[in-house]
Amino acid sequence: GENVEQHPSTLSVQEGDSAVIKCTYSDSASNYFPWYKQELGKRPQLIIDIRSNVGEKKDQRIAVTLNKTAKHFSLHITETQPEDSAVYFCAASYGGATNKLIFGTGTLLAVQP
Amino acid sequence: DAGVIQSPRHEVTEMGQEVTLRCKPISGHDYLFWYRQTMMRGLELLIYFNNNVPIDDSGMPEDRFSAKMPNASFSTLKIQPSEPRDSAVYFCASRQDGTGGLGEQYFGPGTRLTVT
Repeated sequence: GENVEQHPSTLSVQEGDSAVIKCTYSDSASNYFPWYKQELGKRPQLIIDIRSNVGEKKDQRIAVTLNKTAKHFSLHITETQPEDSAVYFCAASYGGATNKLIFGTGTLLAVQP
Repeated sequence: DAGVIQSPRHEVTEMGQEVTLRCKPISGHDYLFWYRQTMMRGLELLIYFNNNVPIDDSGMPEDRFSAKMPNASFSTLKIQPSEPRDSAVYFCASRQDGTGGLGEQYFGPGTRLTVT
């Protein structure tokens, strides 16, 4: 079946460093790729998303890149801060229906002060 | 807006009992999704509705699970009978149409279900 692979599963960085999380997807019809942040015991919240007709999108310290040919997309966080510590999930739409999302397994990001 | 509302926030029940989880989506949203989150399987889509109609229930694990949406402001996910392997956090999410099929799903706070 369709799936989304996410790496790494854990990532520890020093405050101020950059963090990169990578995902690959299998459905060539996927055209929507959101990233969610989930703090411990809280709900997932959208931090940025990208559509298939765009190669890169940036929002302050967060950026996402998409390579449709290789079927992979990445989240980049610059100048990390302790409050960035959380689990990050990538997701991809599948089946040609953008309402259905397959989520990656998550990356636990720890920013050390 | 209060966001997506779920109840109860925590549920502890014994194996074999019926469990009903409730969700109130954001007013005006056309889509409602039920997800299950576990350490082993991550975040899985169980079922989603569009304008109160179930569109895809292929993620529902088995016949013990059922979901309804009797009106635009209320949905339930029922497990009968419950089993220990159903223990998980169940999230409800909603989304508004009119964004070309693309748009943010807003998650509720979740219901942590423990079946003993």
